[in-house]
Amino acid sequence: QKEVEQDPGPLSVPEGAIVSLNCTYSNSAFQYFMWYRQYSRKGPELLMYTYSSGNKEDGRFTAQVDKSSKYISLFIRDSQPSDSATYLCAFNSGNTPLVFGKGTRLSVIA
Amino acid sequence: DTEVTQTPKHLVMGMTNKKSLKCEQHMGHRAMYWYKQKAKKPPELMFVYSYEKLSINESVPSRFSPECPNSSLLNLHLHALQPEDSALYLCASSRGTPDNQPQHFGDGTRLSIL
Repeated sequence: QKEVEQDPGPLSVPEGAIVSLNCTYSNSAFQYFMWYRQYSRKGPELLMYTYSSGNKEDGRFTAQVDKSSKYISLFIRDSQPSDSATYLCAFNSGNTPLVFGKGTRLSVIA
Repeated sequence: DTEVTQTPKHLVMGMTNKKSLKCEQHMGHRAMYWYKQKAKKPPELMFVYSYEKLSINESVPSRFSPECPNSSLLNLHLHALQPEDSALYLCASSRGTPDNQPQHFGDGTRLSIL
């Protein structure tokens, strides 16, 4: 079983749609959960960072962590063409390197 | 604009050249990282510096040589690279020892080996 699974997409949605991006993981030691957004020819930009189960909201973005199911999600409300990017989930367990998902390519069509 | 600054943004070099990539952060972070990223792949960790000491080397070939002159600067010295080394090289930093703080990335240096 892979340590992190993330559907690479591509995912194409119309402007204004709610987007759901997901990752599953197998390592119970993971304590920290992150979502990065990466535009073409740019570095990954930290979007969300959390270390507990539950929801965390920041503007149009909501991160959800379910440790019992080993599942994290990122929801984007009222999606915009500027949200078109690759979204990477990332995990670590403290004092260990980050483990990234493969990334999901999202296109929001105007 | 990111708070981690990388120079140059683009670099083209021959296989016999020697060049250096530079990274700078002024967030007071004490851990700094080098990653390599190929197209449509996630970043792959190369090196980690914690409090200016090399703490992780992910079995990277010796043609890549990292250096951390001080807590704000990180260099990656390149020598005798191969065409397969063409990639985006990303620098990142985090507040504490690796890796219990989120990492913040620069925009990378796009390296092409001729």
